[in-house]
Amino acid sequence: DAKTTQPTSMDCAEGRAANLPCNHSTISGNEYVYWYRQIHSQGPQYIIHGLKNNETNEMASLIITEDRKSSTLILPHATLRDTAVYYCIVRVSVSGNTGKLIFGQGTTLQVKP
Amino acid sequence: GAVVSQHPSWVICKSGTSVKIECRSLDFQATTMFWYRQFPKQSLMLMATSNEGSKATYEQGVEKDKFLINHASLTLSTLTVTSAHPEDSSFYICSARPTGIDGYTFGSGTRLTVV
Repeated sequence: DAKTTQPTSMDCAEGRAANLPCNHSTISGNEYVYWYRQIHSQGPQYIIHGLKNNETNEMASLIITEDRKSSTLILPHATLRDTAVYYCIVRVSVSGNTGKLIFGQGTTLQVKP
Repeated sequence: GAVVSQHPSWVICKSGTSVKIECRSLDFQATTMFWYRQFPKQSLMLMATSNEGSKATYEQGVEKDKFLINHASLTLSTLTVTSAHPEDSSFYICSARPTGIDGYTFGSGTRLTVV
């Protein structure tokens, strides 16, 4: 699976959009970009994933560059409860594949009042 | 739906004893489950892949005789930390992927403290 690079930490004001970048310059054509987050002392939570098109769900939006070498997770209106470690993971689609998920160091997002 | 239940949520044990952690898929069947370990201020580290009805696959550097994994049914995997020592104190997390769902579901984790 391709390696990802994320900033160690970021701050965001409550109510503002949080934009979390991820570089994955060695991504392969069949690899998806997945985002998970982990709130302190809890198990990780799935947020969103995409292949090449931008994706949106009730939690966030995922913007993937045209060359697919980087992506941005957007939390449109961050709240204090969004304070967590956010992990960007690149891997082949899990559909029909129970392959393992490898976590990098992630970005610690601190939402401030 | 797609809930993974992990038990206990925390446990304290004496050095030299064994501790069993359970991971259950409550509303789906999981032929494969994954066990992670997380030390303070560090990321999740994959320990092993648990396979229903067969032996687990361990990641490099993980002692299979110390971390016993049993996946006897499609809804239950257990991790037993044998002869626990203080350095085994960590946050243990399991996960599984429900069929037809793209994301993995994680348990809430077990905080193990060995004294």
